[in-house]
Amino acid sequence: AQKITQTQPGMFVQEKEAVTLDCTYDTSDPSYGLFWYKQPSSGEMIFLIYQGSYDQQNATEGRYSLNFQKARKSAKLVISASQLGDSAMYFCAMRDRMDSSYKLIFGSGTRLLVRP
Amino acid sequence: EPEVTQTPSHQVTQMGQEVILRCVPISNHLYFYWYRQILGQKVEFLVSFYNNEISEKSEIFDDQFSVERPDGSNFTLKIRSTKLEDSAMYFCASSAGQGTFYNEQFFGPGTRLTVL
Repeated sequence: AQKITQTQPGMFVQEKEAVTLDCTYDTSDPSYGLFWYKQPSSGEMIFLIYQGSYDQQNATEGRYSLNFQKARKSAKLVISASQLGDSAMYFCAMRDRMDSSYKLIFGSGTRLLVRP
Repeated sequence: EPEVTQTPSHQVTQMGQEVILRCVPISNHLYFYWYRQILGQKVEFLVSFYNNEISEKSEIFDDQFSVERPDGSNFTLKIRSTKLEDSAMYFCASSAGQGTFYNEQFFGPGTRLTVL
């Protein structure tokens, strides 16, 4: 069965420093996609970045990059130059072809707090 | 920029009452989802909907739940007889297609349901 694991329930980072949020996944499907979402205290889910299982390069979107280690089934989110507005919950999610609906499976999340 | 909208933003109801949560997906999207997030927990898949029928539902989505797309724009989630444990944030999401893994699911802002 598909599974997403986020082992860091909470993290602190100093403003302007980089931070890495861990995510490991499990699927028997060689074709899958990995997503990171940000959920601020207001509650909405904001899409940050996507990595496909066959993508040759690590995904990047502005200050967000994804450290994709396929053999280890790891998809870490790296946020560079942290800002106070980055304080939020961060969810890793996956979808594969095991389900006809291509639903997203989410991890339990990491709460990031950026210190001034 | 097109967005998914949800109403109401917050609903308070008595146990045993029926509630209808409403969503307006992005207009050219074809795939619709409901997820829920119990406070402090991860986001869980409830149901997916395509071509006017349910394509997949989770174990959570029992006979008390139903979905409809009554008029080609709205997408509703009905809970027939609410229970205390139905208290959660309910997210609607839509995506343009499933042809590739990068068919981003766009999330609405959520409806916070409180059952007393």
